[in-house]
Amino acid sequence: AQSVSQHNHHVILSEAASLELGCNYSYGGTVNLFWYVQYPGQHLQLLLKYFSGDPLVKGIKGFEAEFIKSKFSFNLRKPSVQWSDTAEYFCAVNADNAGNMLTFGGGTRLMVKP
Amino acid sequence: DTAVSQTPKYLVTQMGNDKSIKCEQNLGHDTMYWYKQDSKKFLKIMFSYNNKELIINETVPNRFSPKSPDKAHLNLHINSLELGDSAVYFCASSQEHNTLKAQYFGPGTRLLVL
Repeated sequence: AQSVSQHNHHVILSEAASLELGCNYSYGGTVNLFWYVQYPGQHLQLLLKYFSGDPLVKGIKGFEAEFIKSKFSFNLRKPSVQWSDTAEYFCAVNADNAGNMLTFGGGTRLMVKP
Repeated sequence: DTAVSQTPKYLVTQMGNDKSIKCEQNLGHDTMYWYKQDSKKFLKIMFSYNNKELIINETVPNRFSPKSPDKAHLNLHINSLELGDSAVYFCASSQEHNTLKAQYFGPGTRLLVL
Protein backbone atom coordinates (compact mmCIF):
# COMPACT_ATOMS: atom_id res chain seq x y z
CA ALA A 1 0.00 0.00 0.00
CA GLN A 2 1.17 3.49 -0.72
CA SER A 3 2.15 5.92 2.00
CA VAL A 4 2.74 9.65 2.00
CA SER A 5 5.28 11.44 4.18
CA GLN A 6 5.43 15.09 5.05
CA HIS A 7 8.57 15.48 7.06
CA ASN A 8 7.99 19.04 8.23
CA HIS A 9 5.28 18.94 10.86
CA HIS A 10 5.53 22.58 11.85
CA VAL A 11 7.02 25.46 9.88
CA ILE A 12 7.26 29.04 11.09
CA LEU A 13 8.17 31.77 8.64
CA SER A 14 8.14 35.52 8.49
CA GLU A 15 6.15 37.28 5.82
CA ALA A 16 7.91 37.49 2.46
CA ALA A 17 10.03 34.43 3.22
CA SER A 18 10.11 31.64 0.67
CA LEU A 19 8.34 28.38 1.41
CA GLU A 20 9.05 24.80 0.49
CA LEU A 21 7.09 21.94 2.04
CA GLY A 22 8.26 18.43 1.42
CA CYS A 23 6.10 15.54 0.28
CA ASN A 24 7.33 12.05 -0.54
CA TYR A 25 5.30 9.01 -1.44
CA SER A 26 6.02 5.34 -1.69
CA TYR A 27 4.53 3.82 -4.82
CA GLY A 28 6.33 2.79 -7.97
CA GLY A 29 3.44 3.08 -10.39
CA THR A 30 1.56 5.99 -11.91
CA VAL A 31 0.24 8.53 -9.45
CA ASN A 32 -1.95 11.59 -9.32
CA LEU A 33 -0.74 14.13 -6.79
CA PHE A 34 -2.51 16.83 -4.83
CA TRP A 35 -1.93 19.53 -2.29
CA TYR A 36 -4.81 20.57 -0.10
CA VAL A 37 -4.91 23.48 2.34
CA GLN A 38 -6.97 23.77 5.50
CA TYR A 39 -7.24 27.28 6.89
CA PRO A 40 -7.99 27.58 10.61
CA GLY A 41 -11.53 26.43 11.28
CA GLN A 42 -12.23 25.70 7.65
CA HIS A 43 -12.52 22.68 5.41
CA LEU A 44 -9.97 21.24 3.03
CA GLN A 45 -9.55 23.10 -0.23
CA LEU A 46 -7.69 21.96 -3.30
CA LEU A 47 -4.55 24.02 -3.86
CA LEU A 48 -3.19 22.29 -6.93
CA LYS A 49 -2.98 18.91 -8.63
CA TYR A 50 -0.77 16.96 -10.98
CA PHE A 51 -2.02 14.25 -13.33
CA SER A 52 0.42 14.30 -16.23
CA GLY A 53 2.41 16.63 -18.45
CA ASP A 54 4.56 19.47 -17.17
CA PRO A 55 5.89 18.36 -13.77
CA LEU A 56 5.83 21.95 -12.54
CA VAL A 57 2.27 22.69 -11.56
CA LYS A 58 0.86 26.13 -10.80
CA GLY A 59 -1.91 26.39 -8.27
CA ILE A 60 -4.01 29.08 -6.66
CA LYS A 61 -2.67 31.91 -4.51
CA GLY A 62 0.81 31.80 -6.01
CA PHE A 63 1.59 28.22 -4.99
CA GLU A 64 3.37 25.76 -7.21
CA ALA A 65 4.60 22.20 -6.86
CA GLU A 66 7.13 20.14 -8.72
CA PHE A 67 6.78 16.44 -9.37
CA ILE A 68 10.15 14.70 -9.41
CA LYS A 69 9.44 11.10 -10.29
CA SER A 70 12.95 9.84 -9.57
CA LYS A 71 12.68 11.18 -6.04
CA PHE A 72 9.02 10.21 -5.50
CA SER A 73 8.49 13.78 -4.41
CA PHE A 74 5.93 16.53 -4.92
CA ASN A 75 7.16 19.51 -2.95
CA LEU A 76 5.05 22.62 -2.53
CA ARG A 77 6.62 26.04 -2.99
CA LYS A 78 5.75 29.69 -2.76
CA PRO A 79 8.33 32.43 -3.35
CA SER A 80 6.92 34.89 -0.82
CA VAL A 81 4.45 33.88 1.89
CA GLN A 82 1.83 36.08 3.45
CA TRP A 83 0.26 36.04 6.89
CA SER A 84 -2.93 34.73 5.26
CA ASP A 85 -1.08 31.57 4.21
CA THR A 86 -1.12 30.39 7.82
CA ALA A 87 -2.83 27.01 7.55
CA GLU A 88 -2.34 23.28 7.54
CA TYR A 89 -1.12 21.82 4.25
CA PHE A 90 -1.79 18.25 3.20
CA CYS A 91 -0.17 16.33 0.41
CA ALA A 92 -2.24 13.51 -1.07
CA VAL A 93 -1.57 10.75 -3.56
CA ASN A 94 -3.90 8.71 -5.72
CA ALA A 95 -2.25 5.59 -7.08
CA ASP A 96 -3.36 4.08 -10.36
CA ASN A 97 -4.31 0.83 -8.59
CA ALA A 98 -6.42 2.54 -5.95
CA GLY A 99 -9.45 3.79 -7.83
CA ASN A 100 -10.31 7.22 -6.48
CA MET A 101 -8.80 6.61 -3.08
CA LEU A 102 -6.59 9.36 -1.75
CA THR A 103 -3.84 8.69 0.74
CA PHE A 104 -2.98 11.77 2.76
CA GLY A 105 0.24 12.79 4.40
CA GLY A 106 0.23 13.79 8.05
CA GLY A 107 0.03 17.50 7.24
CA THR A 108 2.36 20.45 7.80
CA ARG A 109 1.26 23.29 9.99
CA LEU A 110 2.52 26.59 8.59
CA MET A 111 2.54 29.71 10.69
CA VAL A 112 3.46 32.98 9.03
CA LYS A 113 4.44 35.78 11.38
CA PRO A 114 3.36 39.26 10.27
CA ASP B 1 -24.39 27.52 -3.75
CA THR B 2 -22.38 25.25 -1.48
CA ALA B 3 -20.83 22.37 -3.41
CA VAL B 4 -20.50 19.83 -0.59
CA SER B 5 -22.48 20.45 2.56
CA GLN B 6 -22.60 18.60 5.86
CA THR B 7 -24.91 18.77 8.84
CA PRO B 8 -24.51 19.28 11.66
CA LYS B 9 -21.38 21.36 11.89
CA TYR B 10 -20.89 20.49 15.55
CA LEU B 11 -22.13 17.47 17.45
CA VAL B 12 -21.64 16.90 21.15
CA THR B 13 -23.05 13.71 22.59
CA GLN B 14 -22.69 11.12 25.31
CA MET B 15 -20.96 7.78 25.03
CA GLY B 16 -23.26 5.01 23.92
CA ASN B 17 -25.55 7.24 21.89
CA ASP B 18 -26.35 6.76 18.19
CA LYS B 19 -25.91 9.73 15.87
CA SER B 20 -25.99 10.54 12.16
CA ILE B 21 -24.10 13.02 10.02
CA LYS B 22 -25.56 14.05 6.68
CA CYS B 23 -23.73 14.97 3.51
CA GLU B 24 -25.01 16.35 0.26
CA GLN B 25 -23.22 17.40 -2.91
CA ASN B 26 -24.69 19.42 -5.77
CA LEU B 27 -21.78 18.92 -8.15
CA GLY B 28 -23.29 16.00 -10.01
CA HIS B 29 -20.42 13.78 -8.90
CA ASP B 30 -20.68 10.01 -8.96
CA THR B 31 -18.48 9.24 -6.00
CA MET B 32 -18.66 10.32 -2.37
CA TYR B 33 -16.39 9.68 0.58
CA TRP B 34 -16.14 9.93 4.33
CA TYR B 35 -12.87 10.82 6.01
CA LYS B 36 -11.95 11.01 9.67
CA GLN B 37 -9.48 13.63 10.86
CA ASP B 38 -8.14 12.88 14.31
CA SER B 39 -6.79 15.26 16.92
CA LYS B 40 -3.37 15.17 15.29
CA LYS B 41 -4.93 16.32 12.01
CA PHE B 42 -4.26 12.99 10.33
CA LEU B 43 -6.81 12.33 7.59
CA LYS B 44 -7.93 8.80 6.92
CA ILE B 45 -10.42 7.48 4.38
CA MET B 46 -13.33 5.57 5.89
CA PHE B 47 -15.73 4.85 3.05
CA SER B 48 -16.18 5.51 -0.61
CA TYR B 49 -19.45 5.16 -2.52
CA ASN B 50 -19.90 5.21 -6.29
CA ASN B 51 -23.42 5.58 -7.60
CA LYS B 52 -24.84 4.42 -4.27
CA GLU B 53 -22.56 1.38 -4.11
CA LEU B 54 -19.88 0.85 -1.52
CA ILE B 55 -16.41 0.75 -3.07
CA ILE B 56 -14.00 1.26 -0.22
CA ASN B 57 -14.50 0.25 3.34
CA GLU B 58 -11.30 0.74 5.22
CA THR B 59 -10.77 -0.77 8.62
CA VAL B 60 -13.67 0.91 10.34
CA PRO B 61 -15.71 -0.57 13.21
CA ASN B 62 -19.10 -1.98 12.30
CA ARG B 63 -20.64 0.73 14.45
CA PHE B 64 -20.08 3.04 11.49
CA SER B 65 -22.57 2.52 8.69
CA PRO B 66 -22.74 4.74 5.62
CA LYS B 67 -26.02 5.10 3.78
CA SER B 68 -26.46 6.51 0.31
CA PRO B 69 -30.12 7.12 -0.58
CA ASP B 70 -29.06 8.61 -3.92
CA LYS B 71 -25.81 9.61 -5.55
CA ALA B 72 -26.03 13.16 -4.20
CA HIS B 73 -26.19 12.05 -0.56
CA LEU B 74 -23.97 9.98 1.67
CA ASN B 75 -24.93 9.88 5.33
CA LEU B 76 -22.86 8.42 8.13
CA HIS B 77 -24.59 6.69 11.01
CA ILE B 78 -22.64 5.84 14.13
CA ASN B 79 -23.94 3.45 16.77
CA SER B 80 -22.82 3.18 20.38
CA LEU B 81 -20.49 6.15 20.22
CA GLU B 82 -17.14 5.85 22.00
CA LEU B 83 -14.72 8.46 23.28
CA GLY B 84 -12.28 7.58 20.51
CA ASP B 85 -14.84 8.55 17.89
CA SER B 86 -14.26 12.21 18.73
CA ALA B 87 -12.82 13.74 15.58
CA VAL B 88 -13.71 15.89 12.62
CA TYR B 89 -15.52 13.96 9.91
CA PHE B 90 -15.23 15.22 6.36
CA CYS B 91 -17.42 14.29 3.46
CA ALA B 92 -16.01 14.64 -0.06
CA SER B 93 -17.05 13.96 -3.63
CA SER B 94 -15.41 13.49 -7.00
CA GLN B 95 -16.34 12.72 -10.55
CA GLU B 96 -15.66 9.03 -11.06
CA HIS B 97 -15.53 9.02 -14.80
CA ASN B 98 -13.61 12.23 -15.15
CA THR B 99 -9.86 12.05 -15.46
CA LEU B 100 -9.62 14.98 -13.10
CA LYS B 101 -10.04 13.05 -9.91
CA ALA B 102 -9.84 15.95 -7.50
CA GLN B 103 -11.97 15.50 -4.46
CA TYR B 104 -14.02 18.35 -3.11
CA PHE B 105 -14.49 18.45 0.61
CA GLY B 106 -17.34 19.54 2.82
CA PRO B 107 -16.85 21.84 5.81
CA GLY B 108 -16.52 19.00 8.29
CA THR B 109 -18.52 17.89 11.29
CA ARG B 110 -16.76 18.22 14.61
CA LEU B 111 -17.90 15.34 16.81
CA LEU B 112 -17.18 15.35 20.51
CA VAL B 113 -18.11 12.30 22.55
CA LEU B 114 -18.26 12.86 26.30
